[in-house]
Amino acid sequence: DSGVTQTPKHLITATGQRVTLRCSPRSGDLSVYWYQQSLDQGLQFLIQYYNGEERAKGNILERFSAQQFPDLHSELNLSSLELGDSALYFCASSVGVQEETQYFGPGTRLLVL
Amino acid sequence: GENVEQHPSTLSVQEGDSAVIKCTYSDSASNYFPWYKQELGKGPQLIIDIRSNVGEKKDQRIAVTLNKTAKHFSLHITETQPEDSAVYFCAAKYSWGKLQFGAGTQVVVTP
Repeated sequence: DSGVTQTPKHLITATGQRVTLRCSPRSGDLSVYWYQQSLDQGLQFLIQYYNGEERAKGNILERFSAQQFPDLHSELNLSSLELGDSALYFCASSVGVQEETQYFGPGTRLLVL
Repeated sequence: GENVEQHPSTLSVQEGDSAVIKCTYSDSASNYFPWYKQELGKGPQLIIDIRSNVGEKKDQRIAVTLNKTAKHFSLHITETQPEDSAVYFCAAKYSWGKLQFGAGTQVVVTP
């Protein structure tokens, strides 16, 4: 158990809908990262937050957005969902911006029908 | 650009034999290289990492080597056991905390 929690574990929804994925980092970690894992794209970095502020952006679609709250938990919002958004979404956390070690949560499996 | 190549994509070994997975990276500024193990239905689990000022690191049956000149690093698993069966990912740290992952290696250890 990495100490990173994610909810829900599974999510089934329809095209065009909007969902919110939630992540709680390890105790004491200030940085949160979101990754998408699909069969054809592998593990792709989406976005990073540090202490409530966005720090780095990767291949995140405009339909996706995220935020980190004062209690350091983070939410990833996916809107106007398409079939191709079906994937595993992982959250990871680390102590700070410079601390490299990232610990991953168990993921949320999203299925868009 | 930011690219990490990982080979092989699948690796089948007999229990007790060694397994080696190799990765190359493109950005000479990378200074941190972790390896993750992912079992079915679970998130990636950090198993070992190495920083650019070190050429080799070992933890029990697992070792990682880094050649900064050639921009490649490798994972070595000795005395493999069935519980080593999983997908292994290498990664390289680029800007801020972003990790660029390899495509993964499916390791199957047969008894």
